[in-house]
Amino acid sequence: NAGVTQTPKFRVLKTGQSMTLLCAQDMNHEYMYWYRQDPGMGLRLIHYSVGEGTTAKGEVPDGYNVSRLKKQNFLLGLESAAPSQTSVYFCASRPRLAVDNEQFFGPGTRLTVL
Amino acid sequence: GEDVEQSLFLSVREGDSSVINCTYTDSSSTYLYWYKQEPGAGLQLLTYIFSNMDMKQDQRLTVLLNKKDKHLSLRIADTQTGDSAIYFCAGGLTGGGNKLTFGTGTQLKVEL
Repeated sequence: NAGVTQTPKFRVLKTGQSMTLLCAQDMNHEYMYWYRQDPGMGLRLIHYSVGEGTTAKGEVPDGYNVSRLKKQNFLLGLESAAPSQTSVYFCASRPRLAVDNEQFFGPGTRLTVL
Repeated sequence: GEDVEQSLFLSVREGDSSVINCTYTDSSSTYLYWYKQEPGAGLQLLTYIFSNMDMKQDQRLTVLLNKKDKHLSLRIADTQTGDSAIYFCAGGLTGGGNKLTFGTGTQLKVEL
């Protein structure tokens, strides 16, 4: 099992450009999450999904869109990138039923917006 | 929403014990977690504690939960250089997507 994978690992964008970050998991997990990590602020939830075809807003959703067309994939889109979106983005997943509610994290995508 | 606070930095000598502290504002979390993040990597779950427990021990790790003071701590016994990482506490509720609220993270540096 590859677990949770994220594509790409690094990306540099210019202000106003768009891009899509891909998260894939091969563990048949129902729930998937997108976080951003900024220095001194921990991880903040952007959007999440509790199943194929469903998404919901997290703590900091503005400027991002998501789609969950397939159970194994969760896409994070930036329509018009801004320097404030420079961050490290983490995807996570977990099964719907889990004793300990553990989330499994991908390795992250480092995004720089100039 | 919940606020979760941690001190930003901790330095210890190899072989000593490390204690990483976390305070939170919302006492409704069902579970409280400690995650470890090594450089350039994602987060890995270290251990967790149910909110109805006071203590949990798992090999070198001891988690203490003081619900009255809304304080969570992680003690690492016999700290090794491989323990150098950022440690995040997090609170989680069951239901509603089982979202987690993370603390700001504590960078642990283990010196020889």
